[in-house]
Amino acid sequence: ETGVTQTPRHLVMGMTNKKSLKCEQHLGHNAMYWYKQSAKKPLELMFVYSLEERVENNSVPSRFSPECPNSSHLFLHLHTLQPEDSALYLCASSQDLTGTQYFGPGTRLTVL
Amino acid sequence: GIQVEQSPPDLILQEGANSTLRCNFSDSVNNLQWFHQNPWGQLINLFYIPSGTKQNGRLSATTVATERYSLLYISSSQTTDSGVYFCAVNSGGSNYKLTFGKGTLLTVNP
Repeated sequence: ETGVTQTPRHLVMGMTNKKSLKCEQHLGHNAMYWYKQSAKKPLELMFVYSLEERVENNSVPSRFSPECPNSSHLFLHLHTLQPEDSALYLCASSQDLTGTQYFGPGTRLTVL
Repeated sequence: GIQVEQSPPDLILQEGANSTLRCNFSDSVNNLQWFHQNPWGQLINLFYIPSGTKQNGRLSATTVATERYSLLYISSSQTTDSGVYFCAVNSGGSNYKLTFGKGTLLTVNP
């Protein structure tokens, strides 16, 4: 248990669906992150938030839309995804932008 | 950007054996972390070690920043050590932008 939770743990969606991934951290951290882990590829940073402000959008397609309503919660809204978006989506948090990052268990997404 | 190479890509051990995993990086770093990803996908922090040596139980890590590499030592391996070990680094002004290696897949057999 790392203090970072993610829901759902598994998600199957069609290309026309809209869904959201949720991340919550119970560590009192100020920075939160979304990563994508595809098969046979290194983890890729998608978005970074610090004190609810987005500080990084790593060239992510607009069909992925992040939201950080407060420092404890982070969402990833998904719409009109492609099959190649199937992956493990990991959330992380850190005390600040320079601190050690702690990861949630991930959401395994399958796009049909 | 910075390049991270991990070796070996795969490693199979018998329970009780020792092992050394290596991480080479192409530029000076501000941050280096070792993670263990279990078979269910959970990433667990092992070490935050931009330089020097740290130990935690059967695991220890050494980073030689001037020579741009880090080593993770696992002693008396157990089946629960199985999984993928990742090295992640950042450099430059963005301390948060971790670049991950492709990992070492460790299998420990009973």
